[in-house]
Amino acid sequence: GESVGLHLPTLSVQEGDNSIINCAYSNSASDYFIWYKQESGKGPQFIIDIRSNMDKRQGQRVTVLLNKTVKHLSLQIAATQPGDSAVYFCAEIIRSSGDKLTFGTGTRLAVRP
Amino acid sequence: DAGVIQSPRHEVTEMGQEVTLRCKPISGHNSLFWYRQTMMRGLELLIYFNNNVPIDDSGMPEDRFSAKMPNASFSTLKIQPSEPRDSAVYFCASSLEWGVSGNTIYFGEGSWLTVV
Repeated sequence: GESVGLHLPTLSVQEGDNSIINCAYSNSASDYFIWYKQESGKGPQFIIDIRSNMDKRQGQRVTVLLNKTVKHLSLQIAATQPGDSAVYFCAEIIRSSGDKLTFGTGTRLAVRP
Repeated sequence: DAGVIQSPRHEVTEMGQEVTLRCKPISGHNSLFWYRQTMMRGLELLIYFNNNVPIDDSGMPEDRFSAKMPNASFSTLKIQPSEPRDSAVYFCASSLEWGVSGNTIYFGEGSWLTVV
């Protein structure tokens, strides 16, 4: 994902439903991907990461899926809770480019009670 | 664990003034990052240090910006002179063994800068 533009995509889900947040990337040389959560007024918080040689990784209530064929990454949140409301960023690391951690634009998740 | 500590949390300053933002990384972490977040450009890496040495400063916007890390527990980001377009949230982050084995970086709460 490119980090440009004023408009932040928003995903609105009902409390208790599953959420799927998507991210597209362009560089096939990306080695790692990380999902961060940013609550209002706070810094980004690490959620989960995945290496480029994996296609799935699970954490507590979260699953990250990686499809290298179409350069797509997704974060699935099970049983979404009000506390999950935040902006979610995918970020990529390209080892051959000095290990920079580059962030995407972000998606706002709004949980309806 | 105290986390990454940044100061000040909020600063409002007049154009032309010098601004100094401070960061204390997590104890034991040897990589430190400065990011800037704006609505227009999102999160941008300004500079990062490994073992107190600047590794990549290609994100520093111009000569008005400078960053130092005199020791393992302290870093500063200075803007001199400041301009209204520097208004943003500046995040400091740290990591253990970034680029070697660590892929997790931990962010501070940010310094909210407004230049009027």
